[in-house]
Amino acid sequence: SQTIHQWPATLVQPVGSPLSLECTVEGTSNPNLYWYRQAAGRGLQLLFYSVGIGQISSEVPQNLSASRPQDRQFILSSKKLLLSDSGFYLCAWSVAGLGTDTQYFGPGTRLTVL
Amino acid sequence: GESVGLHLPTLSVQEGDNSIINCAYSNSASDYFIWYKQESGKGPQFIIDIRSNMDKRQGQRVTVLLNKTVKHLSLQIAATQPGDSAVYFCAGDFGNEKLTFGTGTRLTIIP
Repeated sequence: SQTIHQWPATLVQPVGSPLSLECTVEGTSNPNLYWYRQAAGRGLQLLFYSVGIGQISSEVPQNLSASRPQDRQFILSSKKLLLSDSGFYLCAWSVAGLGTDTQYFGPGTRLTVL
Repeated sequence: GESVGLHLPTLSVQEGDNSIINCAYSNSASDYFIWYKQESGKGPQFIIDIRSNMDKRQGQRVTVLLNKTVKHLSLQIAATQPGDSAVYFCAGDFGNEKLTFGTGTRLTIIP
């Protein structure tokens, strides 16, 4: 069966510090991968998605970047965090090549920027 | 453009009663809709999905209804239990292989 992991689970960082959040998927090959941000009490905002190694699409201009160094690894980064980067970050995967398919979410990372 | 919204941000239901959560979408047709359940501090969990060639699909205690004429989607939960308390999101795929999410409905089950 497939599983998706995210770490860390929670993170408190000062403004201006760097960020690296990691997501890995097990039990599948060549998945589509997604990063979402969820503000408190709000819906999900798609930040990045990837259909393959090194292929990253950005949905919104922001202070964040994403990379996919390996097939089942997706990393969300920032060089200098802003207060507005606080939120709940979710990674998701789906089966590639089906056009429309369910996305399965990881447990999330709660980021607080102070 | 496409958007997915919900009629009510909150819903309270007596334990054991049935609940209905609604979702409306606009503009473009979607091939695929999904309902997710998100408990506090956790990632969204897949509940049930439906493709546009169907108007009803049933799972365990849940039913999704799709009315393409009025662009309306609903999630029915039968015999609600305390564990059903969560935020429920609808999401649609409007042909670009990405999901558009609604803002969510917070369902509270009253004991």
